Amino acid sequence: DADVTQTPRNRITKTGKRIMLECSQTKGHDRMYWYRQDPGLGLRLIYYSFDVKDINKGEISDGYSVSRQAQAKFSLSLESAIPNQTALYFCATQGDLGAQHFGDGTRLSIL
Amino acid sequence: GQQLNQSPQSMFIQEGEDVSMNCTSSSIFNTWLWYKQDPGEGPVLLIALYKAGELTSNGRLTAQFGITRKDSFLNISASIPSDVGIYFCAGLNSGYALNFGKGTSLLVTP
Repeated sequence: DADVTQTPRNRITKTGKRIMLECSQTKGHDRMYWYRQDPGLGLRLIYYSFDVKDINKGEISDGYSVSRQAQAKFSLSLESAIPNQTALYFCATQGDLGAQHFGDGTRLSIL
Repeated sequence: GQQLNQSPQSMFIQEGEDVSMNCTSSSIFNTWLWYKQDPGEGPVLLIALYKAGELTSNGRLTAQFGITRKDSFLNISASIPSDVGIYFCAGLNSGYALNFGKGTSLLVTP
């Protein structure tokens, strides 16, 4: 089983809809991250969390929100989706030495 | 975050050739990481470097943490078709955030 699991793997939705992407991990890491990936732009940080009570904005947090329901679960929400939020979204955990471990991503298309 | 300059942007090589790619920064890092991403999947950690000057291998892959702490390189020896993918470097200071390069796209022809 994957250490970092993202659901759904693919989602197509319409502008204005509320979307939730979920991430769960079995690595026992406290630190979790959400990134988006766009062609030519690499990985950009949306939000991160150091533990259940700690949530922080990344460089591109506008239009997104997150919830850390438990050490193992970190979800990303788009309150009112817009087409320029079409992207590949990744969740990651971080161990004590700093290396991050990624899920397989959610491909999100907003029409 | 800090900008990492990763080069080359893409490479098109024949099976059996050696590959070299590098990453540079204007700032120093305490950790350098190299990832590979296959189509439709998330980045997978290949090599982690924690000390300036460190040279670490993982099979046919070798990476080095530059002595200035501002650069790192990744070499792949005797490339094979399954090496195809996008390779990312990432640097980490004290703290949390990884700074990623924009990736090197590698294509290998049989």
